[in-house]
Amino acid sequence: RKEVEQDPGPFNVPEGATVAFNCTYSNSASQSFFWYRQDCRKEPKLLMSVYSSGNEDGRFTAQLNRASQYISLLIRDSKLSDSATYLCVVDRGSTLGRLYFGRGTQLTVWP
Amino acid sequence: NAGVMQNPRHLVRRRGQEARLRCSPMKGHSHVYWYRQLPEEGLKFMVYLQKENIIDESGMPKERFSAEFPKEGPSILRIQQVVRGDSAAYFCASSPPAGFQETQYFGPGTRLLVL
Repeated sequence: RKEVEQDPGPFNVPEGATVAFNCTYSNSASQSFFWYRQDCRKEPKLLMSVYSSGNEDGRFTAQLNRASQYISLLIRDSKLSDSATYLCVVDRGSTLGRLYFGRGTQLTVWP
Repeated sequence: NAGVMQNPRHLVRRRGQEARLRCSPMKGHSHVYWYRQLPEEGLKFMVYLQKENIIDESGMPKERFSAEFPKEGPSILRIQQVVRGDSAAYFCASSPPAGFQETQYFGPGTRLLVL
């Protein structure tokens, strides 16, 4: 079983739409959770960390459900510039060290 | 504050040659990680290093691959006798020394093409 599973998409939505991505992780000991964004042929860039209480950053909201080992990302009022691949990332369950990446969910926002 | 730097950005090698990839972490960061991304695949962890120490190399292929992070200078990922299957994007990330999982910041990557 993969450490992190994501629906690869693609998701094609119009500007202004709300879109949600989900991912599941297998290691119940994982402590840190992130969403990264990766543009075509670029490096991954941190979008936001995900906290147990849920957190919001502008149009982006992340949720964590530890019982179900499930992480979500909600993007409201989509912009053309949101088009990218969104990577669900979890740690191995110890301080510092390797991260496990999902394969990513591809989003295209069209005008 | 410069970000993570990697060079070269693109590297072309013929089968059997050696590839050396360099990574300079962000200023103040002492932890370096190497990841590999094959076409249409997610990033896969290879190795985690601190200055002069390999902390976790469980993701590194047992043969032909090696990594170091010397006291002075960049971290080096070395691939000997490259094969076509080594063609991929190799990303380096760094994080600061801390007692809790710190965010990893990625460099622009080195795209290796083996002919």
